[in-house]
Amino acid sequence: AQSVAQPEDQVNVAEGNPLTVKCTYSVSGNPYLFWYVQYPNRGLQFLLKYITGDNLVKGSYGFEAEFNKSQTSFHLKKPSALVSDSALYFCAVRDEGYNFNKFYFGSGTKLNVKP
Amino acid sequence: DAGVTQSPTHLIKTRGQQVTLRCSPKSGHDTVSWYQQALGQGPQFIFQYYEEEERQRGNFPDRFSGHQFPNYSSELNVNALLLGDSALYLCASSFIGTGGRRSPLHFGNGTRLTVT
Repeated sequence: AQSVAQPEDQVNVAEGNPLTVKCTYSVSGNPYLFWYVQYPNRGLQFLLKYITGDNLVKGSYGFEAEFNKSQTSFHLKKPSALVSDSALYFCAVRDEGYNFNKFYFGSGTKLNVKP
Repeated sequence: DAGVTQSPTHLIKTRGQQVTLRCSPKSGHDTVSWYQQALGQGPQFIFQYYEEEERQRGNFPDRFSGHQFPNYSSELNVNALLLGDSALYLCASSFIGTGGRRSPLHFGNGTRLTVT
């Protein structure tokens, strides 16, 4: 079975500082991992994905994520946080085979970036 | 280019009633999935429609049903509403690109369903 865990309900960071939002995964085969962001009263927006290849994945809005197979982690990072990055972030893993649109989401991490 | 559109944006129903939610996928997308997002939780997969058929289903009772039309739009129906069905219902679409690779899911803004 596929699952992801986001150990932090909330992350607080000052504007201009680097940010990290943590995610660990558990999969039965190859990991297909994603990060999405959700702003209040909105749907989820795709940030980036890891399917295969380089362990450092670059995505939208300056975000990147580091895939670590030995630690089964896929942490989201950004070198310099903006107040506008404040939102709810979800890590997700996609099911395999024909279940290609079945995603398992974590519980979410609320990112607060303070001026 | 319009993204995924959902209607209505908000809905209030009474226990025992039935509800229909609608979704138009992003242009060029052929697959629609529905997710339920309860307050403070991540989205949970309800089911997926492709070529007008339900292809995969999550752990939801038969009260949840759906349909996909020839133009790829979709409906989610929930019968005999319970208080616990109150949630944000998200529609997501995707397509198969070159080499059979699936695009990431593109989500609509959701329908907020409140059951009283």
